Amino acid sequence: DQQVKQNSPSLSVQEGRISILNCDYTNSMFDYFLWYKKYPAEGPTFLISISSIKDKNEDGRFTVFLNKSAKHLSLHIVPSQPGDSAVYFCAVSPLIQGAQKLVFGQGTRLTINP
Amino acid sequence: GAGVSQSPSNKVTEKGKDVELRCDPISGHTALYWYRQSLGQGLEFLIYFQGNSAPDKSGLPSDRFSAERTGGSVSTLTIQRTQQEDSAVYLCASSFWSGQPQHFGDGTRLSIL
Repeated sequence: DQQVKQNSPSLSVQEGRISILNCDYTNSMFDYFLWYKKYPAEGPTFLISISSIKDKNEDGRFTVFLNKSAKHLSLHIVPSQPGDSAVYFCAVSPLIQGAQKLVFGQGTRLTINP
Repeated sequence: GAGVSQSPSNKVTEKGKDVELRCDPISGHTALYWYRQSLGQGLEFLIYFQGNSAPDKSGLPSDRFSAERTGGSVSTLTIQRTQQEDSAVYLCASSFWSGQPQHFGDGTRLSIL
């Protein structure tokens, strides 16, 4: 029973275009949402987060959108750069419990083509 | 160093042996977490420490797994009588407190022969 789903295992985007990564979750108790990027043989690197009181958070080229009614989260990267090629994980947490017991999606491998 | 440090980076051992994995969190981070990533799977939560206590051990897959944290800093994850299904990358993360984003180490790749 997957509580967090990233339905696209891979995504290929042209350099300079927008990359859109999607994530769906099932439990309405989740109220803190994060995106991580992972290169091979390295640990995940925190990118951006959003709490359930907001529907958008922006940090440079990265924007996270939250649609609570649809239980859907997305990450937009614009413009996409070759260094963005990595595996992207969404993670969710019931922050109200205090402990950030993150539940991760399966990941989407993003490839940026020159 | 400035980041989360894990050792060893790779560990190969025979089935039935015990292994200890070490995590050195970012200085000043009070919360520490262990996850594992099996082949083709997402990250799976194992255990969480706030200071030296572990309020959430719900992710430990069996009683062969245990973890401790001393001095509010270094943590060790111990797997006794290892099985082949324990093969995975074990990742440690820390955060300033439990409500902040977690920062991960590069993991220990454990292979059970």
